[in-house]
Amino acid sequence: AQSVTQLGSHVSVSEGALVLLRCNYSSSVPPYLFWYVQYPNQGLQLLLKYTTGATLVKGINGFEAEFKKSETSFHLTKPSAHMSDAAEYFCAVSHNTGGFKTIFGAGTRLFVKA
Amino acid sequence: NAGVMQNPRHLVRRRGQEARLRCSPMKGHSHVYWYRQLPEEGLKFMVYLQKENIIDESGMPKERFSAEFPKEGPSILRIQQVVRGDSAAYFCASSLQLEETQYFGPGTRLLVL
Repeated sequence: AQSVTQLGSHVSVSEGALVLLRCNYSSSVPPYLFWYVQYPNQGLQLLLKYTTGATLVKGINGFEAEFKKSETSFHLTKPSAHMSDAAEYFCAVSHNTGGFKTIFGAGTRLFVKA
Repeated sequence: NAGVMQNPRHLVRRRGQEARLRCSPMKGHSHVYWYRQLPEEGLKFMVYLQKENIIDESGMPKERFSAEFPKEGPSILRIQQVVRGDSAAYFCASSLQLEETQYFGPGTRLLVL
């Protein structure tokens, strides 16, 4: 079975500081990995994804994530937080197994302090 | 190219009534997925459909819940005899093919009184 664990349900950073949101997954097959952002009362927006190839993935809004197979991790980072980054972030894993579906983590709410 | 559309955005029902949630996928997308998000939780997969077929409904409760994606028109998630525990945000996503990227709609927030 696949699963996703997001460490820390809430993360608070100061504006301009590094953002680090942690995600670990478990999978018996090579995974596809995603980060989504959700603003209040809105749907999910894809930030970035890893399928194959380069393990450092760049996404929108200055975010990036690195797939580390040995650590089964896919942590999300941004060098300098902006107030507009305050939102909830979801890590997700999926596989094309014929019963295709995406497994989401519980989410990490990011707070950005002025 | 319009994104995934869901309606209504908010739905209030009394216990025992029926709720019908609609999802129009992105143009050209033939794969639709429904997810439920309970307060303070992540999204939970419910069902995956292609046109006129349910492919995977392993995440959907066996009773009171049903889903369809007809040849013409939107996908429908139907909840019969709603209970307070059904109160949640229901998200629809679509994809072009059986590929990894799903595009999400804004969700329908169901409140059962």
